[in-house]
Amino acid sequence: DTGVSQNPRHKITKRGQNVTFRCDPISEHNRLYWYRQTLGQGPEFLTYFQNEAQLEKSRLLSDRFSAERPKGSFSTLEIQRTEQGDSAMYLCASGRESGDTQYFGPGTRLTVL
Amino acid sequence: GESVGLHLPTLSVQEGDNSIINCAYSNSASDYFIWYKQESGKGPQFIIDIRSNMDKRQGQRVTVLLNKTVKHLSLQIAATQPGDSAVYFCAENRPGAQKLVFGQGTRLTINP
Repeated sequence: DTGVSQNPRHKITKRGQNVTFRCDPISEHNRLYWYRQTLGQGPEFLTYFQNEAQLEKSRLLSDRFSAERPKGSFSTLEIQRTEQGDSAMYLCASGRESGDTQYFGPGTRLTVL
Repeated sequence: GESVGLHLPTLSVQEGDNSIINCAYSNSASDYFIWYKQESGKGPQFIIDIRSNMDKRQGQRVTVLLNKTVKHLSLQIAATQPGDSAVYFCAENRPGAQKLVFGQGTRLTINP
């Protein structure tokens, strides 16, 4: 399968714990995006990378959130000191270039107890 | 069956009928539009896209229509099948912007 992959698919954690998610984009896609989706809503943009550079961050991305793409391939999204409001589906997408189609992964569903 | 936009998030149609899902986008400067299908517990799946220099594009059993005058996008699905049951989102992209902006979504239910 050469699509976008995400791990883990599900994560249950207690409030205050740190969590880290991984995204592997479609190979040779330079752009990688993170979105968050809550129940009944469309995905909302969090941040994106052009190769290893993080070029834009949404206001939704509080100081507790950090994303990296160290070698321009896979990316990680870390949430520190999780809160119940962080419970959501975290989606990763990749694309070739600006204005190109974004292809989504299956998502990581986070539940904060 | 036809939805009337973001304020009617559910559309039920009979199997075999045609479906029309509507979307009102927000920014007249947007120049690229995508329809995604999302099944329960899965990520959005690309269906079809259209750029602003076109007003119609056809795929396999799907057609997207773009009316820039009224900022309206529609997705037509021909001969709907049970596997078409999902939530459908339209998304817009603005020149120079990297993020997609998604609409609320419409849940399509196929009745046997």
